[in-house]
Amino acid sequence: RKEVEQDPGPFNVPEGATVAFNCTYSNSASQSFFWYRQDCRKEPKLLMSVYSSGNEDGRFTAQLNRASQYISLLIRDSKLSDSATYLCVVNILTGGGNKLTFGTGTQLKVEL
Amino acid sequence: NAGVTQTPKFQVLKTGQSMTLQCAQDMNHNSMYWYRQDPGMGLRLIYYSASEGTTDKGEVPNGYNVSRLNKREFSLRLESAAPSQTSVYFCASSPRAGRASVNGELFFGEGSRLTVL
Repeated sequence: RKEVEQDPGPFNVPEGATVAFNCTYSNSASQSFFWYRQDCRKEPKLLMSVYSSGNEDGRFTAQLNRASQYISLLIRDSKLSDSATYLCVVNILTGGGNKLTFGTGTQLKVEL
Repeated sequence: NAGVTQTPKFQVLKTGQSMTLQCAQDMNHNSMYWYRQDPGMGLRLIYYSASEGTTDKGEVPNGYNVSRLNKREFSLRLESAAPSQTSVYFCASSPRAGRASVNGELFFGEGSRLTVL
């Protein structure tokens, strides 16, 4: 089982729609969680951290469920510019210290 | 602001050739990383440097070597390239010392697309 798993998509949604992505992680020692955004043929960029109580940044809401070991990203009022791949990232405590593990990403396509 | 700069952006090699990917950051960050990204695999850590003067192996170090030349620069060398090393390589940096940025914020370069024939 992969340490971090995501549905690869693509999710094709109309502009203005609400879309949600889930990500599951296997290691219960995971300490912190993040969503990155990666545009086609570009580098990943941090979108937002995911806090235990859930957090919101404009149209984006991230939530964490430690009991079920998943995190989610909700995008409201989707824009064409939201089209990208969203990477789930988990900070896992290992014998060698903390390490960031990246999911393979979920592709979002927002259409007119 | 330049941020993290990688060179070259594209390279084609023949099996057995060697090359070095260069990375420099101008943000005075302590930690630097080399990742590779392959379809269906996610980003995988090759090597990292928690601070100037130290380097450590990541998940997939075989076939690679690194040098942390100074605080700004972290290079990745392929001594004898193999087709399995065809990938997109990303250099990244973070302000905190350590194997991973505690707050998860990595600053990536634009990537280097390497093809090994």
